[in-house]
Order: sequence, then C-alpha cells, then structure tokens
Amino acid sequence: AQKVTQAQTEISVVEKEDVTLDCVYETRDTTYYLFWYKQPPSGELVFLIRRNSFDEQNEISGRYSWNFQKSTSSFNFTITASQVVDSAVYFCALRQETSGSRLTFGEGTQLTVNP
Amino acid sequence: GAGVSQSPSNKVTEKGKDVELRCDPISGHTALYWYRQRLGQGLEFLIYFQGNSAPDKSGLPSDRFSAERTGESVSTLTIQRTQQEDSAVYLCASSLHRRGATNEQFFGPGTRLTVL
Repeated sequence: AQKVTQAQTEISVVEKEDVTLDCVYETRDTTYYLFWYKQPPSGELVFLIRRNSFDEQNEISGRYSWNFQKSTSSFNFTITASQVVDSAVYFCALRQETSGSRLTFGEGTQLTVNP
Repeated sequence: GAGVSQSPSNKVTEKGKDVELRCDPISGHTALYWYRQRLGQGLEFLIYFQGNSAPDKSGLPSDRFSAERTGESVSTLTIQRTQQEDSAVYLCASSLHRRGATNEQFFGPGTRLTVL
C-alpha cells in the first residue's frame, strides 16, 4: 500500500522566517518518485520538484530546498526567508513504479505568510 | 493557451442530474489523469488514460462515474445521478509518457462541482 502523510495541517509564519513542511511516505516499492506541488489561492497546482528513490541528494532552488531521507521515509521541504507570495497549500505526492502513473497525495499543508 | 484547460470552471447541479466535465490536455501529452479534491483535502486519483485507453480506472468511486478520451486528446468525465457527496473540485492533468523523461503531471484549473 502507498500512503503520504503531511502531519502539519496549517502553518503560520511571519515574512522572512524560514519554514519547513514535513512529508512522510509509505511504500513497498524500491523504485518510486516523490513530488511537491504548490496550490495557490487560484487553485491551479504548480509542480515544484520530482525526486526518484535512487537519488538522495538534497536539492536547492533559490529559496526552496528539499531534504530526502530514505532512512526515515521523509521528503521535507524548506522555504528560506518566506514571502507573502509563498502563501498556498503545499502537497507532497508519491508515485510507485508498480502503481503505474497515478499519484498519491498527502492531505496538504496550508502555509500562511504574514507581512 | 499551452496549458491544460478544463470546462466548465464551475458547475452547479441538482441532485440526481447527470454532469459532463471536459479536459483539454497539453498538445502531445499522451497521458491524462482525473483527480477529485474535496474541500480542505488532498487529491484522490480517479482514472488514468494512456492514449485513448484507460489502463487504470481503479479510483472511480462508483459505477455512476465514467470517463472517455478520444483522438488521444480531449477527455470527458461523466457523473450520472449526482449526489451531494460528489461536490468537489475535479482536476485534470496530463503528462508526456516517454522513457527517461521526468513525466511530471501538469494540472488544469479544475471544475468546481456543487450538487444541491
């Protein structure tokens, strides 16, 4: 069975604070892919990153960074120096090699960045 | 536009009526997906098309739900005899399906369905 858990339902920070969004996944596959998507108030999901299970290198893209740790089945997302425009719902998702192309999403974390 | 489009953007219907939701994927994307997002929740997978075939329709919640795709392009999700629990945003996504490609899914803006 595959499952994604985002334990933080809502997070509220003040602009310029760093914030980490947690994602824990469950899968029996050895080959799988992890994703983060952003859903701003407009509703359209925006793809942020994809990692495969064989690449545990952490990645940084501007103010965004991702920490993938297979030992703890976690794929956490950090926003450095948060901005009001970062306010959105963030979803972590999993695709198992044996489940075809379907994505399994977590429940999402609502991030609010206050000025 | 170059993105995934969906119509209508909003649909209000009465319980028991049938509705059709349309998705136009990105040109050239062979894979197409339907998801449902209930208020305040994550996305639930409904069905996946590769070309015009649906190798995975395991997420369809009941036989009131069906979908088809034609011309390896447009897809229609049909919900018959709608119920109030069908109220949700229905999201469509498309992707390339090439070996070695990242194959990430690009999402449309969704159709917000309200069943009264």
